[in-house]
Amino acid sequence: DVKVTQSSRYLVKRTGEKVFLECVQDMDHENMFWYRQDPGLGLRLIYFSYDVKMKEKGDIPEGYSVSREKKERFSLILESASTNQTSMYLCASTPRRRYEKLFFGSGTQLSVL
Amino acid sequence: AQSVTQLDSQVPVFEEAPVELRCNYSSSVSVYLFWYVQYPNQGLQLLLKYLSGSTLVESINGFEAEFNKSQTSFHLRKPSVHISDTAEYFCAVMKTSYDKVIFGPGTSLSVIP
Repeated sequence: DVKVTQSSRYLVKRTGEKVFLECVQDMDHENMFWYRQDPGLGLRLIYFSYDVKMKEKGDIPEGYSVSREKKERFSLILESASTNQTSMYLCASTPRRRYEKLFFGSGTQLSVL
Repeated sequence: AQSVTQLDSQVPVFEEAPVELRCNYSSSVSVYLFWYVQYPNQGLQLLLKYLSGSTLVESINGFEAEFNKSQTSFHLRKPSVHISDTAEYFCAVMKTSYDKVIFGPGTSLSVIP
């Protein structure tokens, strides 16, 4: 089975801190995604990556950046965390041109105080 | 651009009763359609998908969805729900030319004993 692992289940950070959310997948997938999940809004795409060192903006990239130095790892970075970034963050991966089945991690609940 | 509407944010239903979770989408191009499920404290997982062929698709746990192109709908149904079906259900859409997956806001299904 594909495994997508997010390093933390819960995180609490202070406003202005730099925050790193890590995601690792073990199935050699080319594509990786970061979503945020908010009640009533569903999942919104922040950034995605088609390959190592490649990244594309999603629908809500403001306030975020990403890093993909190795194929299996995709990091989401909050340069200066703000309270409106309190959310559940979900990482997902798929093989190349097989977007029809996203494999999700279990999520990181980030609280920014 | 594609968008997905799930009109019901919460659906309570008694155990063994039938349920329908509604999903409508808008798109100017052909799309693939999906239902994802998120059980409490877990990541999302694919429940069923429509790519081509028969417009009625089924999951292994008794759910089914029917693609209706004229009504741009992809409603999810189950004739008799179980307690274990309590979860958040997300409808999603993707262009057939392959692109990012767009999620609806989700419907919380609560099965009452």
